[in-house]
Amino acid sequence: SAVISQKPSRDICQRGTSLTIQCQVDSQVTMMFWYRQQPGQSLTLIATANQGSEATYESGFVIDKFPISRPNLTFSTLTVSNMSPEDSSIYLCSAVAAAAAEQYFGPGTRLTVT
Amino acid sequence: DAKTTQPPSMDCAEGRAANLPCNHSTISGNEYVYWYRQIHSQGPQYIIHGLKNNETNEMASLIITEDRKSSTLILPHATLRDTAVYYCIVRVRGSARQLTFGSGTQLTVLP
Repeated sequence: SAVISQKPSRDICQRGTSLTIQCQVDSQVTMMFWYRQQPGQSLTLIATANQGSEATYESGFVIDKFPISRPNLTFSTLTVSNMSPEDSSIYLCSAVAAAAAEQYFGPGTRLTVT
Repeated sequence: DAKTTQPPSMDCAEGRAANLPCNHSTISGNEYVYWYRQIHSQGPQYIIHGLKNNETNEMASLIITEDRKSSTLILPHATLRDTAVYYCIVRVRGSARQLTFGSGTQLTVLP
């Protein structure tokens, strides 16, 4: 299994600012994803982080708001830009080690925007 | 990926078996049934998966009906630490697509 860590674990940010969340996997993985979980809701996929190329975003999510980087096979960042209180959520990093492997999740980053 | 239907909530007494049902009547032949759980404020945790045979690991058992239209996750001796939201997900194994989460079942284990 892959062990995934995220930094920060939580943060409180002011409206209009940006926060970058880091995701580190302890082994090389083929695919990395970012999810959002709004209060009391299930997980929603934001995007697939592609190594060396632009992320693939799901409907309703755009690069200007959620820029993503993946410089190598074990690391990715998600930035939440120009934050508003509606961005208050848990943001989760996820990864798949190989085509037939299971999908694993990080502990999440709890973001509160005031 | 096929859609799943789960009850929104269930209770179980500590030490008893917890049986969590899932309906997936539109499942395709190459789609697996996956179960994950999410303990409050943590990331989802993989539990088990299966195609058509019953499966067991150190955490749980998975029973899939012969027509594969439904399944049951069994936690044989539930503890308070098993209180969580349990997600049943159907997808093609090895697919490049990510997991899609429904609303899940909130299992509460009572002392």
